[in-house]
Amino acid sequence: DIQMTQSPSSLSAFVGDSVTITCQASQDIRNYLNWYQQKSGKAPKLLIYDASNLETGVPSRFSGSGSGTYFTFTISSLQPEDIATYYCQQYDSLPSALTFGGGTKVEIK
Amino acid sequence: QVQLVQSGGEVKKPGASVKVSCKASGYSFTGYYLNWVRQAPGQGLEWMGRIHSNSGDTYYAQRFQGRVTMTRETSISTAYMELSGLTNDDTAVYYCARDKEVAGIWGYWGQGTLVTVSS
Repeated sequence: DIQMTQSPSSLSAFVGDSVTITCQASQDIRNYLNWYQQKSGKAPKLLIYDASNLETGVPSRFSGSGSGTYFTFTISSLQPEDIATYYCQQYDSLPSALTFGGGTKVEIK
Repeated sequence: QVQLVQSGGEVKKPGASVKVSCKASGYSFTGYYLNWVRQAPGQGLEWMGRIHSNSGDTYYAQRFQGRVTMTRETSISTAYMELSGLTNDDTAVYYCARDKEVAGIWGYWGQGTLVTVSS
């Protein structure tokens, strides 16, 4: 299976700060990489698909980039409502063996 | 609008089986794959497998092969995930998630079903 290594596992930043999360794949996954936000007790929510495409209705402060094995996810100006855990997920290995990164918990200082 | 509504929480004993349902509405049920993802308490997300709502074709994560069965009933727009041989490690919230227009991108999620395995 393709391993997804996400870092950091947690971070703390001030409101208004820019925060970046990275996700590294164990092999080339082209741009088949999505980012999800999960708030406490809720189902995940799709934010970014195909590495850099913003899902409809998602604020533009969220962005993603990368291809191949290295990807980044950025919140340009952290807001209190962004407190959540963020996951990357690859789907290059369709039809099976889809995998997630370990998650990054984002908190406010 | 697309909605996925899952069955309620379950408490099971070790060795038992559990069957979780996911009822879809707001779209043509037979046009998409439904995926099952689980999350143990305080842990990350884990993909379990997927089923095509029309053909019934299934793909399971290797670690669940032989223990998971995914089915669907098209007449009532409902998918099911059955997990057998439960252990304490299967205590988790189980989610169903529908592909968007492109497979592998999960734009719609159920609310989750907590399955607790305890003697």
